[in-house]
Amino acid sequence: GQQVMQIPQYQHVQEGEDFTTYCNSSTTLSNIQWYKQRPGGHPVFLIQLVKSGEVKKQKRLTFQFGEAKKNSSLHITATQTTDVGTYFCAELTGNQFYFGTGTSLTVIP
Amino acid sequence: SAVISQKPSRDICQRGTSLTIQCQVDSQVTMMFWYRQQPGQSLTLIATANQGSEATYESGFVIDKFPISRPNLTFSTLTVSNMSPEDSSIYLCSADSPSGNTIYFGEGSWLTVV
Repeated sequence: GQQVMQIPQYQHVQEGEDFTTYCNSSTTLSNIQWYKQRPGGHPVFLIQLVKSGEVKKQKRLTFQFGEAKKNSSLHITATQTTDVGTYFCAELTGNQFYFGTGTSLTVIP
Repeated sequence: SAVISQKPSRDICQRGTSLTIQCQVDSQVTMMFWYRQQPGQSLTLIATANQGSEATYESGFVIDKFPISRPNLTFSTLTVSNMSPEDSSIYLCSADSPSGNTIYFGEGSWLTVV
C-alpha cells in the first residue's frame, strides 16, 4: 500500500502555542482518518473525513480535508501537555488501513 | 468500541526462536489486522487475518516468517518465526469497527530479540 507523507516529522511547541500537522498524498484519497498515539500507548482513532473540503472540529482540534482530496491537516489550538504524542493520518483502501509517517508532538510546559 | 487484548505484552527472545502473539477481541469482528511498529516509526501493515482462510500479506511480508491464524471472529495469532534482532519491534493487533470505517488497536506486544 502507498504511504502517505506527513510533515513535520517532529514538532516542539511551548504550551499554549498552536500546532499543525499536514498529511500529503500523490494520489486522490477516498477518505482520511486521524489517530493519536500517546508515548508508550497504542493508536486511538480521532476522526474520519470523507468529503472534499470537509472541516470537522473536536474542541481544540480542527481537521480539514483538501479540496482535491490529496491532503489533510490537523490543527491544535493552544496546545496543552495532554496533547503530547504522535499524530498519524491513515487511509482506508479496500479493507486495509495504511498509516502516514506520523508527526511527533512535544509540548514544553 | 471493541476491547482488544494482546499477550504477551512484552518479551525478550533469543535469536533463532519463534514467538506467538495472541489477540483476543471482546466481540465478533469482521476484519483483524496485524501491524509492526519500530520505535519512533509509523505503523506498517503486515497482513489481514481472514477468518477461515489464509491471511493476506502485504508486500515484504511472507507467511513462512509471519504465520497467522484466525480460527474464529474474535481471536487471531501472529507468529514471528526464526527471529533476528531486526524483528525487535512492537506488534499491534487491530480490528475494524462494526461500520468498517475505523480500527481499534490492542496494547501491543513489545518484542526484543537478543
